[in-house]
This record gives sequence, C-alpha cells and structure tokens, in this order.
Amino acid sequence: GQQLNQSPQSMFIQEGEDVSMNCTSSSIFNTWLWYKQDPGEGPVLLIALYKAGELTSNGRLTAQFGITRKDSFLNISASIPSDVGIYFCAGPRAYTGNQFYFGTGTSLTVIP
Amino acid sequence: GAGVSQSPSNKVTEKGKDVELRCDPISGHTALYWYRQRLGQGLEFLIYFQGNSAPDKSGLPSDRFSAERTGESVSTLTIQRTQQEDSAVYLCASSRTSGGVSGELFFGEGSRLTVL
Repeated sequence: GQQLNQSPQSMFIQEGEDVSMNCTSSSIFNTWLWYKQDPGEGPVLLIALYKAGELTSNGRLTAQFGITRKDSFLNISASIPSDVGIYFCAGPRAYTGNQFYFGTGTSLTVIP
Repeated sequence: GAGVSQSPSNKVTEKGKDVELRCDPISGHTALYWYRQRLGQGLEFLIYFQGNSAPDKSGLPSDRFSAERTGESVSTLTIQRTQQEDSAVYLCASSRTSGGVSGELFFGEGSRLTVL
C-alpha cells in the first residue's frame, strides 16, 4: 500500500516564483530521494538525502531530510517553464530492506 | 550500458494474449525493480530483485504477473492473459547497493502497454 503522502497534489505557479512541496510518512525512512518525471519518460533523480537533518542543494533545488526521518521537503527557486512535470519523493523504509516506496506525486505547472 | 534499457518501448496487444517486457539494468547494479504506472497515477511497486536473494514479489497484482532475473543482468516481466486493466507504463529501475545501504534508483524510459 501507499507509504508516502505528498502535498500539494498539484501546483500552478507563475514563472519566477518559488515552489515548495513535501512528503510525509508514518514510517521512518533511511534515505529520501526526489525524482522528476517528464511526460512519456521515466523518473529522473534530482536529489538524494542520506542523513536526518541533511540539507542539500542542486542548482535551484534544495531538499531536506527531516529530523524525525519521517518527512522531507523540496524547494525550487525562481521557477522556469522546463520545471513543469511530476515530482515524486521516494525511499526505502527503515528495517524493511531495500524496497523503494514512492509518493503520490506533485504535478507542477509553470505559467510563462 | 550507460543507462537502464527497456524493450519494447510500446506494445499493443489483444486482450487475452501474453506479453513479455524486458529490462537491461545498469552494469554492476545488483538491485532491480519493476513498477507499474497507470495514466496520471503514481508508481506502483510490483517486484524487487536483489542479487541472488529470493525476489520480493509482494507487489504483483495477480498470478498472471511474473518476473524473472538471471543473476544480476536482464529481467523479464511477463503478463499472461492480458486484461484491459493491465494497460499502463511498466517502468524498470536498477540500483547499486553497498553494505546494505540502498543506492539511488535509475529508471528506464518504460514500456507502454496497451491492451485492446
């Protein structure tokens, strides 16, 4: 069943605005990964987080691994049209091996 | 190869026929995953292979679905007696694991299955 809850489900923003989305779980995770999926393609890894409290940046993207290990957020600064897509959080639940669970996804639309 | 390769990229079949989908993981990646993604939906876990361990089949939706993997190489996902509800994109991903800590997942572009 679904282990990760993402919010918001969808976002419509103006180009140049900042974006924030998050992912929560009732279970502890060892790793948090954020992926982006463009239409007709497989998800592509954006950022990986391995340690509680870790804050990592990749260009205009910033992600944090929550202290409780049950949540993570992804921020996108100064959005551009090519940021359009679906963003998924994912990770392996602690103590249950390496099966990766995926969030429900956040659909982002950037209006030029 | 450089990335995860899946074939066919598109498959149209008639209800009741069997289909076989193939995945070539990244060389050296011991973990391999299959996911199903219906139109506009998230990723639904199907099955996970890790080295020579018994696969985790907990996500397979019915006994019409099966998957095999030879060692740490190619995997095939087979769907028998396809139904229209099986129409979806089937995504394969591989991962390098080290010391029990999961590596990042790298996805192929998927196989789009349409059952008429």
